[in-house]
Amino acid sequence: EAQVTQNPRYLITVTGKKLTVTCSQNMNHEYMSWYRQDPGLGLRQIYYSMNVEVTDKGDVPEGYKVSRKEKRNFPLILESPSPNQTSLYFCASSSQGQPQHFGDGTRLSIL
Amino acid sequence: GESVGLHLPTLSVQEGDNSIINCAYSNSASDYFIWYKQESGKGPQFIIDIRSNMDKRQGQRVTVLLNKTVKHLSLQIAATQPGDSAVYFCAVTVGNTPLVFGKGTRLSVIA
Repeated sequence: EAQVTQNPRYLITVTGKKLTVTCSQNMNHEYMSWYRQDPGLGLRQIYYSMNVEVTDKGDVPEGYKVSRKEKRNFPLILESPSPNQTSLYFCASSSQGQPQHFGDGTRLSIL
Repeated sequence: GESVGLHLPTLSVQEGDNSIINCAYSNSASDYFIWYKQESGKGPQFIIDIRSNMDKRQGQRVTVLLNKTVKHLSLQIAATQPGDSAVYFCAVTVGNTPLVFGKGTRLSVIA
């Protein structure tokens, strides 16, 4: 089954404790992206990647890092999480010029 | 840059009626438009897309209309069912640039 898989789905952690949210897709898509979704603000892009070893900042990249060492994986790293990064996060992937497929989300709470 | 707005944050319709959800965009160069549906606890799910060389595209019970003159996009759902209750997002892009999402319309279907 074609899918985008995020882990974990839920995480409660504390300020400053590094965390990684993994994202994997099995559709051989070149393009992958991370979004955060907050009430009243909609979906905002954090980072995206057009292909392996190519990453670019989205609208709200501060406090986040990404890497794209393999085509299927695109982890989101919070080196020193802060409470304002409490949010619902989505990973997405697509082929060039095609609609993005989204994962089911990761709800992060940073205390 | 592109901005995407919606006319109504919420919409309530009677089961069996048709629903129309609207979206406005700012960049006249936008050439690819997508509608997504997001159910509670899930990621956005692709519904239908349209490119700028078309005015109308139909799917199963859904139709997307594009009016490039006034930079307006709409999603029509025929014979709305309870399972259509969700948040609907439009997303817009130019060429290979990242998608810009609207903030979403919450559709509630009254049985």
